[in-house]
Amino acid sequence: EDKVVQSPLSLVVHEGDTVTLNCSYEVTNFRSLLWYKQEKKAPTFLFMLTSSGIEKKSGRLSSILDKKELFSILNITATQTGDSAVYLCAVETDQTGANNLFFGTGTRLTVIP
Amino acid sequence: EAQVTQNPRYLITVTGKKLTVTCSQNMNHEYMSWYRQDPGLGLRQIYYSMNVEVTDKGDVPEGYKVSRKEKRNFPLILESPSPNQTSLYFCASSTGWDTDTQYFGPGTRLTVL
Repeated sequence: EDKVVQSPLSLVVHEGDTVTLNCSYEVTNFRSLLWYKQEKKAPTFLFMLTSSGIEKKSGRLSSILDKKELFSILNITATQTGDSAVYLCAVETDQTGANNLFFGTGTRLTVIP
Repeated sequence: EAQVTQNPRYLITVTGKKLTVTCSQNMNHEYMSWYRQDPGLGLRQIYYSMNVEVTDKGDVPEGYKVSRKEKRNFPLILESPSPNQTSLYFCASSTGWDTDTQYFGPGTRLTVL
């Protein structure tokens, strides 16, 4: 059964801290891994990762994928209160020409001043 | 087991033939939402519902209708499907819309010929 597991479930840090969020997966026919930030009505896209070992960066956020060990991490440096959100990991699979998407249950990050 | 279910999982139909995709959650969640996932465009919200009989448009509502007559069910209706509605659809639910983790259904792959 395909599954995506995120850890920790919840995290509280102070502004300025660095955090690492984890996403591990077990799927058939892996295609890509996606990170989303969910703070209001709908998740917003952060990164798509398809290749191992290549870090993607956007400002204070970065992410990397390990296809051998089947996990990804999302790093946030110098956290700010605006980073408070639920971070979702999803894995896209390719099944007989049609893709599918499996979501983790998210990591809730709270950044306190 | 807490879950969001969608039916059908796969559907191939023809232009103009009305269809309904059902979504049901067993967690007594107030907030429910529909998304479509298209390659390169990420998740886009179609409609959402804050509670029974309260629904509102998301980012891409054209060509879709929803209803929320009961808390647990949130069907997505395509009155006259067109090929540009071929997509992967996800239903999600959560206790609230503000920074709460959304639980995603397994997805419905719709092909409109």
